[in-house]
Amino acid sequence: DTGVSQNPRHKITKRGQNVTFRCDPISEHNRLYWYRQTLGQGPEFLTYFQNEAQLEKSRLLSDRFSAERPKGSFSTLEIQRTEQGDSAMYLCASSLGRTDQPQHFGDGTRLSIL
Amino acid sequence: AQSVTQLDSQVPVFEEAPVELRCNYSSSVSVYLFWYVQYPNQGLQLLLKYLSGSTLVESINGFEAEFNKSQTSFHLRKPSVHISDTAEYFCAVRVLSGSARQLTFGSGTQLTVLP
Repeated sequence: DTGVSQNPRHKITKRGQNVTFRCDPISEHNRLYWYRQTLGQGPEFLTYFQNEAQLEKSRLLSDRFSAERPKGSFSTLEIQRTEQGDSAMYLCASSLGRTDQPQHFGDGTRLSIL
Repeated sequence: AQSVTQLDSQVPVFEEAPVELRCNYSSSVSVYLFWYVQYPNQGLQLLLKYLSGSTLVESINGFEAEFNKSQTSFHLRKPSVHISDTAEYFCAVRVLSGSARQLTFGSGTQLTVLP
C-alpha cells in the first residue's frame, strides 16, 4: 500500500491561467474522489468516479472545472480560467467499492492564485 | 441532505489532561460516522469509524468515540493527550444507501496540546 499520491504539492499561478492536478489512487481502489478544502473549513465534495465513470458532481464544480479518469486508474482535475476564489487545497481520496470502506486521502495540492 | 456540526473550532488543553471534541450530525437516513485527523500541510488520516455494532469505537493511539443515536452525536475523547496529538480533527458522515458516496465533513476542531 503506497498510499494516494497527488502532484504537484503546490501550484502558484496567475489569475486566468489553466491548471491541472494529478491523483494516483491506491492501486486496487476502484473509487476515486476529489474534494476542495479552504482555510479553516472541512473538505467539500467535488466529484466521484467509480472506475472510469464519473458518477456524481457537486454544484461546486462549475463549468470551468473538469475531471477525468481515463483508464480507471489515475485521475486529473483541470481548472480553466482560474479565479482568486479557486485558491484552496485540492484533496484526492480513494476507496474500495463497498460503502463501508473508508476513504484514504492524499496530501493534497495547494493552489494559490496571484 | 446531511450536515455535521463541530461546535468547538479550537480546543487548547494541557498535556496529559483529558479532552473531548464534540460532533453532532443531521441526516434523514442512517449514516456511517468517521473521525479524521489532519496535520499541517498533509491530507486527512482516518482515526476511527463507526459502521455498526458496539457504539464505542477505539483507535490504536488511545482515542475513542461513542455513537449516540438519540442525540445524533459522535464525540471524540482521549483520557490523556500528548503534544503529538496537536492537529485538526474532522468529523464526517456518509449515508448507508442511495447513490451518494461522498463524505460530508464538519468544519474541524483544532486541538492544541500545551506543555
